[in-house]
Amino acid sequence: QQQVKQSPQSLIVQKGGISIINCAYENTAFDYFPWYQQFPGKGPALLIAIRPDVSEKKEGRFTISFNKSAKQFSLHIMDSQPGDSATYFCAAINAGGTSYGKLTFGQGTILTVHP
Amino acid sequence: DGGITQSPKYLFRKEGQNVTLSCEQNLNHDAMYWYRQDPGQGLRLIYYSQIVNDFQKGDIAEGYSVSREKKESFPLTVTSAQKNPTAFYLCASSMSGRLETQYFGPGTRLLVL
Repeated sequence: QQQVKQSPQSLIVQKGGISIINCAYENTAFDYFPWYQQFPGKGPALLIAIRPDVSEKKEGRFTISFNKSAKQFSLHIMDSQPGDSATYFCAAINAGGTSYGKLTFGQGTILTVHP
Repeated sequence: DGGITQSPKYLFRKEGQNVTLSCEQNLNHDAMYWYRQDPGQGLRLIYYSQIVNDFQKGDIAEGYSVSREKKESFPLTVTSAQKNPTAFYLCASSMSGRLETQYFGPGTRLLVL
């Protein structure tokens, strides 16, 4: 019930292409969905987040699409750049529940953008 | 500079030894967290603390212990009972009322000799 499943495990795109990473969840109580970017040997950094009252959120080249009925959300990176090469994690949390503060993470996607 | 610091960057543990990982934040955040990261498994919550002198077990607390005597500090001890301690350990913090927005430190890599 608490799982967040992320795919693909790894992704290779060419510079300028679109990177798409997908996540699916089971717990309908989740109400906040952040994405984190992690470079090798570093801690994850919050990239973008969405709440289920909207279907899409865009910040620069990064867009989250959210499908509440399918319990799925995805990260789209437009015009992908070599500097975007990193591991990306989706996560989910029930921000209003008794387990408030407990993020559930996906397994991560290693993105490589070739120049 | 405001942020989260973790030390050491690398830590080596001998069999049967307890080791302590340091986490300090100067963001004035009330809540702090410890995660363990293994390849292909994402991040898993070990312990979290929403206020000084209080903490709760996460999903994989066995073999670990924590303390929260100061708001700024949340050290993690990996005890000899943790049989597979080799991992990347990440500390995070968040503001009270915005616990969903967590900021991470640079991590400590623990290796077993």
